[in-house]
Amino acid sequence: AQTVTQSQPEMSVQEAETVTLSCTYDTSESDYYLFWYKQPPSRQMILVIRQEAYKQQNATENRFSVNFQKAAKSFSLKISDSQLGDAAMYFCAYRSPNSGTYKYIFGTGTRLKVLA
Amino acid sequence: GAVVSQHPSWVICKSGTSVKIECRSLDFQATTMFWYRQFPKQSLMLMATSNEGSKATYEQGVEKDKFLINHASLTLSTLTVTSAHPEDSSFYICSAQSQGQSNQPQHFGDGTRLSIL
Repeated sequence: AQTVTQSQPEMSVQEAETVTLSCTYDTSESDYYLFWYKQPPSRQMILVIRQEAYKQQNATENRFSVNFQKAAKSFSLKISDSQLGDAAMYFCAYRSPNSGTYKYIFGTGTRLKVLA
Repeated sequence: GAVVSQHPSWVICKSGTSVKIECRSLDFQATTMFWYRQFPKQSLMLMATSNEGSKATYEQGVEKDKFLINHASLTLSTLTVTSAHPEDSSFYICSAQSQGQSNQPQHFGDGTRLSIL
């Protein structure tokens, strides 16, 4: 069974600085999808970025980028030029394309605090 | 696009009553919808997966008779918490998966805060 691990329960970053949130996963599959979601205090789940495992190029969305290391089964999220609005819980998620159900396996989350 | 509406956003009711939560995909057809429960400061816990026109698949440890799920159409799934008790108080979130688009992410509703007195 697949598992997702987020080893940092909480992280802090100074406004305008860069922070990296870690995520590792365990799977025997070669093809899969990875996602980062942001959950602010409003508790909405907001998609930040996604990565297909067959793509070697790291995904980037504006200030958000990932470092996808397939062999190491690592999928870290880098937030550049951190803003106060980035403060939230961040969840890493894995999805197998083969399960037939599209269901996610979530990590336990990392709470990001942004210091003014 | 890909908007999921969840209603109600907050409900308070007395112990012993049943509560229905609706999850609608507004601008796409969702063959699969998911129901999650989230305790404070914890991750999302998948309760069940519902497919349109068939019975829901419940995760281990989730009581089927307590949490009734109906996915009657490609745009609507409902979760009914039957005979709710204070321990059922929690934050419930639904999500929907677009039909035939396995490479697309789940789209989440805004959640329902359920408080049982």
